[in-house]
Amino acid sequence: DVVMTQTPPSLSVAIGQSVSISCKSSQSLVYSDGKTYLHWLLQSPGRSPKRLIYQVSNLGSGVPDRFSGTGSQKDFTLKISRVEAEDLGVYYCAQTTHFPPTFGAGTKLELK
Amino acid sequence: EVQLVESGGGLVQPGGSLKLSCVASGFTFRDYWMNWVRQAPGKTMEWIGDIKPDGSNTNYAPSVKNRFTISRDNAKSILYLQMSNMRSDYTATYYCVRGWFHYWGQGVMVTVSS
Repeated sequence: DVVMTQTPPSLSVAIGQSVSISCKSSQSLVYSDGKTYLHWLLQSPGRSPKRLIYQVSNLGSGVPDRFSGTGSQKDFTLKISRVEAEDLGVYYCAQTTHFPPTFGAGTKLELK
Repeated sequence: EVQLVESGGGLVQPGGSLKLSCVASGFTFRDYWMNWVRQAPGKTMEWIGDIKPDGSNTNYAPSVKNRFTISRDNAKSILYLQMSNMRSDYTATYYCVRGWFHYWGQGVMVTVSS
């Protein structure tokens, strides 16, 4: 299985600060169609996960443009500009390029 | 509004069986691949399996293959997960998910314990 390694495991931030989360995969996530199926999810406390970004950099519907995703091959980054209170929770990267789909261990974003 | 509502969770003994349901609304259910994903307490997500829109093809994670069966009723917009020969490490919240993690249900808790 493709191993997804997220760093850091946790982040303590102040409202208004910008942060970045790294996700590295054990294999290239470029599929045979040329697309890269790397996604970012947010699980707010006590809630179901919500997809923020799909295919590396495409913002999900209704997701603020404070969120952005970059990367290629095996190295990806989620950036949150000007963190707001509603952004707190656990962020996961996930890949659906290779079978079976796999998730990172998560990065917990907390208030400083 | 897309809604996915799971039901059928609860306590089951090791070796036992349980069937989960997920009622979908707010979209044309028969047009979408559907997935089941689970999350053990305090852990990350684990993909369980998926089913093609017409129900003709299913895929499963190796950890649950031959124990779990995914099916669907497109006339009723319901997704199912039949779990058998369950183990204690199957204790988790089970989510019904549309497509590649686009929409998630609220989840249903399954506890496997004697």
